[in-house]
Amino acid sequence: SAVISQKPSRDICQRGTSLTIQCQVDSQVTMMFWYRQQPGQSLTLIATANQGSEATYESGFVIDKFPISRPNLTFSTLTVSNMSPEDSSIYLCSVDGQATDTQYFGPGTRLTVL
Amino acid sequence: KQEVTQIPAALSVPEGENLVLNCSFTDSAIYNLQWFRQDPGKGLTSLLLIQSSQREQTSGRLNASLDKSSGRSTLYIAASQPGDSATYLCAPLNFGNEKLTFGTGTRLTIIP
Repeated sequence: SAVISQKPSRDICQRGTSLTIQCQVDSQVTMMFWYRQQPGQSLTLIATANQGSEATYESGFVIDKFPISRPNLTFSTLTVSNMSPEDSSIYLCSVDGQATDTQYFGPGTRLTVL
Repeated sequence: KQEVTQIPAALSVPEGENLVLNCSFTDSAIYNLQWFRQDPGKGLTSLLLIQSSQREQTSGRLNASLDKSSGRSTLYIAASQPGDSATYLCAPLNFGNEKLTFGTGTRLTIIP
């Protein structure tokens, strides 16, 4: 299994500012994923981040709004830029288990934008 | 495009009862299907993973079945306990794009 940590665990931010969320994994992984979970909703994939290449964004998500870094095989960041109240969500990172097909999730970052 | 539906959206049962959660998906070309548990405001915990070639998978009091041809999976919880209260999510992994598609979840409450 993979143990994933995220920082911060929660934050309250002002409209128009940006927040960078960190995701750290205890083992090297090829693919990392970033999800958004809006209040009362299920998870929506934002992008897939592979080390050494540009992140691949899903329909409805753009790099200018959600820039992603993947500097090595154990770490990634997601920035939520120019925030509005509609960005209030839980943001989760996940990874593929290397020895299994199980996908593991971090504890999430709860973001509230005022 | 894969679409996943979970029924019921919410369920309350007395402690000790056996229960079944349902998951249906529109695209049967899946690699596997995972069931997750999510506690309020928390991340996801993987419960069971069923490969497309399997019919069922068991872990303790949990049993998940998969009928790929009909696009259905069920999660059976035996002898429910208050600690089972959480939202349960199913997510098939599609061939080709290797992406999970999440259902809307079933919010389960076990009444002591």
